[in-house]
Formats: sequence, C-alpha cells, structure tokens
Amino acid sequence: DAKTTQPTSMDCAEGRAANLPCNHSTISGNEYVYWYRQIHSQGPQYIIHGLKNNETNEMASLIITEDRKSSTLILPHATLRDTAVYYCIVSRANSGYALNFGKGTSLLVTP
Amino acid sequence: DVKVTQSSRYLVKRTGEKVFLECVQDMDHENMFWYRQDPGLGLRLIYFSYDVKMKEKGDIPEGYSVSREKKERFSLILESASTNQTSMYLCASSRPGTSDNEQYFGPGTRLTVT
Repeated sequence: DAKTTQPTSMDCAEGRAANLPCNHSTISGNEYVYWYRQIHSQGPQYIIHGLKNNETNEMASLIITEDRKSSTLILPHATLRDTAVYYCIVSRANSGYALNFGKGTSLLVTP
Repeated sequence: DVKVTQSSRYLVKRTGEKVFLECVQDMDHENMFWYRQDPGLGLRLIYFSYDVKMKEKGDIPEGYSVSREKKERFSLILESASTNQTSMYLCASSRPGTSDNEQYFGPGTRLTVT
C-alpha cells in the first residue's frame, strides 16, 4: 500500500471549516483514499473514502487532486466533538487486510 | 446503527493468566479483525478472520490465538499473559469486497497485565 504523509497537528476554531491535508504521491491506480478518525479513548471511526472523484457524506467531504497524489478532508463546520486524530490511509478496495493507520493528524477544535 | 461490542472496557490480569477478549458484531459482517494500539506504534494487526472457523495471522500474532465459532463473535486469547501485552485491544469488522476497508471498530479493551 502507498505511504501517506500528514501534518502532526492542526488547530481549528469551532464553526470554521477544518481542512486536513494528506500526501500520497506513490498511490497506485487501484488504490483508494480512506479517512478515519479516533476520538480519545474510543475505537477508530470510518469517515469517508474515494478513488478519484470528490466525495461527500453527512460527516465530511473528500477532495482528491486530479493527479491523485494528494487529498484533503474537509469538516465544513467543526465542533468541539471533532477533536480527534485523523488518519489518511491508502489501500486497495478489497484487500481484506489490515489498514496501515500511521500516526495521523491530531486536530484540536477550539472554542 | 452498526455496532461492534467488546466484553470489557478495562481489564487487569496477572502474568501467566489465560485471558479471553470477546468481540461481537451485529452487522452480519464476514470479516473480523483484532488490533492492538500502543503509543508511538499505532494500530497493529494481530489476527483476522474472513469467515467462521477461518483465521489468518496478522503482523504480530505471537503470544495470541483466536477463535471464531460463530459469524458474529471473534475471540482473542492470550494463552499466558505477559506484561508486554499490556495494551489497548481493538476489534473491527467489515463486509468483504469493495467495502473491505470500511471497518467498524469497537470501543476497545484496555488490558493491564501486572
């Protein structure tokens, strides 16, 4: 699976959009980009995934660049409950294997 | 709402004890996984299972075994607990195919071995 690079930490004011970047320059054509988050003392939570088109669901939007070498997870109106570690993972869709969570980005949403 | 439950949130065991960690999912998922999470090391896969009575070793299976007698239940067994198995243990499940990597996690069991 391709390696990903994320900033160690980010801050965001409550109510503003949180934009979390991820670089995955070695991504292969059949690899998807997945985003998970982990709130302190809880299990990771699936957020969204995409292949090349932008995706949106009730939690977030995922913007993937045309060359697919980077992506951005957008939380449109961050709340204090969005404070968590966010993981960007690149993997084949039906690998059926463990996800490489890496270190992720620690997002702190402030009042 | 999808749900993965784990038998205990916190567990304290003594060195040498046999420890059972239970995980149950109510989503009829074929795939189930056991991870451990340690500071600085992230999540590491211990074992996973694609179906009932099937199991596959993950990255760090030593000192662990698993059991999957029913589709909804996946048990992690520490045959003889040691202090280096003190960790957060996380169970997850997913459907096979294109949804493989949409894994749903339980709340975790924080195990302390003294």
